Amino acid sequence: DGGITQSPKYLFRKEGQNVTLSCEQNLNHDAMYWYRQDPGQGLRLIYYSQIVNDFQKGDIAEGYSVSREKKESFPLTVTSAQKNPTAFYLCASTHSARRDNEQFFGPGTRLTVL
Amino acid sequence: DQQVKQNSPSLSVQEGRISILNCDYTNSMFDYFLWYKKYPAEGPTFLISISSIKDKNEDGRFTVFLNKSAKHLSLHIVPSQPGDSAVYFCAAIRRETYKYIFGTGTRLKVLA
Repeated sequence: DGGITQSPKYLFRKEGQNVTLSCEQNLNHDAMYWYRQDPGQGLRLIYYSQIVNDFQKGDIAEGYSVSREKKESFPLTVTSAQKNPTAFYLCASTHSARRDNEQFFGPGTRLTVL
Repeated sequence: DQQVKQNSPSLSVQEGRISILNCDYTNSMFDYFLWYKKYPAEGPTFLISISSIKDKNEDGRFTVFLNKSAKHLSLHIVPSQPGDSAVYFCAAIRRETYKYIFGTGTRLKVLA
């Protein structure tokens, strides 16, 4: 049963701590993405990766870091440098050969920094 | 600089009637447009997409129209059902960049 998994669903951290959000896909997709959703702001792109060992900054990359060591995995680290980390984080993936360009999304992780 | 805009934050429609959600864009280099549906605390799910070389694409109750000269697309849902109540996002991509740009969403409420 193919799909994208994000864990955990809810995450709580103290201010000043780094935290890593997991994203795994078994769809054999080459491209993976991280978005952040805040109320009234839609989905904003944090980082994306077209292939293994390569990634690009999105529109709001400051305070975040990623790695893409395996095709299936694209973890996101929210560092203490991120000024307002409390948000709903969404991971997505797509295959470059798809004609309809559909992105598949995971269920999301809600991060709350106390 | 918001390249994809959804100017209506919310829309209410009676069950059985047509829902029309609108989206405007500024970048003429986009070559694909997509619509997604999202429930609270869940990931968006894909509804329908359209290539920039077409002006209409239909899938069941969902039809997307593209007006390139006006840089405008719309999603029509006919007939609307209570289960359609959700936030709808339009998105655009220039395929060679792999980068999707999303609008801010429109919350649709279908009244029974």
